[in-house]
Amino acid sequence: GAGVSQSPRYKVAKRGQDVALRCDPISGHVSLFWYQQALGQGPEFLTYFQNEAQLDKSGLPSDRFFAERPEGSVSTLKIQRTQQEDSAVYLCASSLRRVNTEAFFGQGTRLTVV
Amino acid sequence: AQSVTQLDSHVSVSEGTPVLLRCNYSSSYSPSLFWYVQHPNKGLQLLLKYTSAATLVKGINGFEAEFKKSETSFHLTKPSAHMSDAAEYFCVVSDGRGGQNFVFGPGTRLSVLP
Repeated sequence: GAGVSQSPRYKVAKRGQDVALRCDPISGHVSLFWYQQALGQGPEFLTYFQNEAQLDKSGLPSDRFFAERPEGSVSTLKIQRTQQEDSAVYLCASSLRRVNTEAFFGQGTRLTVV
Repeated sequence: AQSVTQLDSHVSVSEGTPVLLRCNYSSSYSPSLFWYVQHPNKGLQLLLKYTSAATLVKGINGFEAEFKKSETSFHLTKPSAHMSDAAEYFCVVSDGRGGQNFVFGPGTRLSVLP
């Protein structure tokens, strides 16, 4: 597609439920990022892939969060045993290279944990 | 480590008057700098970027920004505000070294009054 695509756009989960958020980056983009954006805040880094390699996961808030990009294209962010503080918009971005190129963002998945 | 400060959480201007959104950064390396805009319920859109070429950068919708290394600043300006400019604006720094490739500032909400 022409841009970064994320699905679902909206997700309501009951506390304790597992969720999986999908990101389709722009074709050919090497780098892929996940960010978490709480209401009224700027995006906070979660994790970064270069092709299929997860080079940095220092922003993942707990071991309940897991991300993968097995074939170097589509990525999935999984949250296990969701809690209310996980409610946020999860943004995916991709960029052509690692250095000095802009990131293109998807519209995000709004996760609400009830 | 790199970081971004946006000095104003909220800026309000009248339609047709100039816009100034301030950004200061910290980076150990020669950074790339970006401004992104986020309209309500929309994805992040790149306004402009600085990547060590000309220090005065022109972007979309009449916005521009000037990179001043001595002041570690990258302020965003527009000569004449339009109602459609009302949105959240994020300054972003990247030094391209590692996983946290794009570090966001906290954002500035721009209101445009008729």
